[in-house]
Amino acid sequence: EVQLVESGGGLIQPGGSLRLSCAASGFTVSSNYMSWVRQAPGKGLEWVSVIYSGGSTYYADSVKGRFTISRDNSKNTLYLQMNSLRAEDTAVYYCARVAITMVRGALRPYYYYGMDVWGQGTTVTVSS
Amino acid sequence: EIVLTQSPGTLSLSPGERATLSCRASQSVSSSYLAWYQQKPGQAPRLLIYGASSRATGIPDRFSGSGSGTDFTLTISRLEPEDFAVYYCQQYGSSRTWTFGQGTKVEIK
Repeated sequence: EVQLVESGGGLIQPGGSLRLSCAASGFTVSSNYMSWVRQAPGKGLEWVSVIYSGGSTYYADSVKGRFTISRDNSKNTLYLQMNSLRAEDTAVYYCARVAITMVRGALRPYYYYGMDVWGQGTTVTVSS
Repeated sequence: EIVLTQSPGTLSLSPGERATLSCRASQSVSSSYLAWYQQKPGQAPRLLIYGASSRATGIPDRFSGSGSGTDFTLTISRLEPEDFAVYYCQQYGSSRTWTFGQGTKVEIK
């Protein structure tokens, strides 16, 4: 069964650090684009970061320089290292697999993107 | 950065009615990079539509997506009780970042 299970959330003081984990089963993390998405209490979804299968990483401006996405291929696990945490980082953090579907067009292939597998989320609360 | 604006914020409808949700982008978006998600309270989002109009695996055919450029639409042809939820559009941008709309809540009238 294809599954993602997050862990590592908790209560942390402002300025502190936390590392979230996302253990995958049924597929290989390193062969896929993998992403983190968060949702503040009562708010909408906010994209946080992505790591490509080739290893390139990208971040939302709101977390750039403070958060680091990485993976451990031997453990088939995705991570999010969060430093210098702020109250506004309080949210449920989801990891997700990005599915890329190729469709052959008349002149060239097209690539469709969608986050097709999600974990159940882990809650991070930043408060003193 | 592309901003996605969804409307209406809340849609009040009865089971069996048709729901039309709008997602407008601040600049042109490739249809290949536009997706829709459904989220129910206490649950993770679920992928409904990718490539603006392709249904994800296991999604009923009452869900359909359309649009191009800056205007995209998610249509639920006949609302079932399990369809009352929040819906988000999402785009993948040229700067290698993703953006979500603020969501549309479909509630029971």
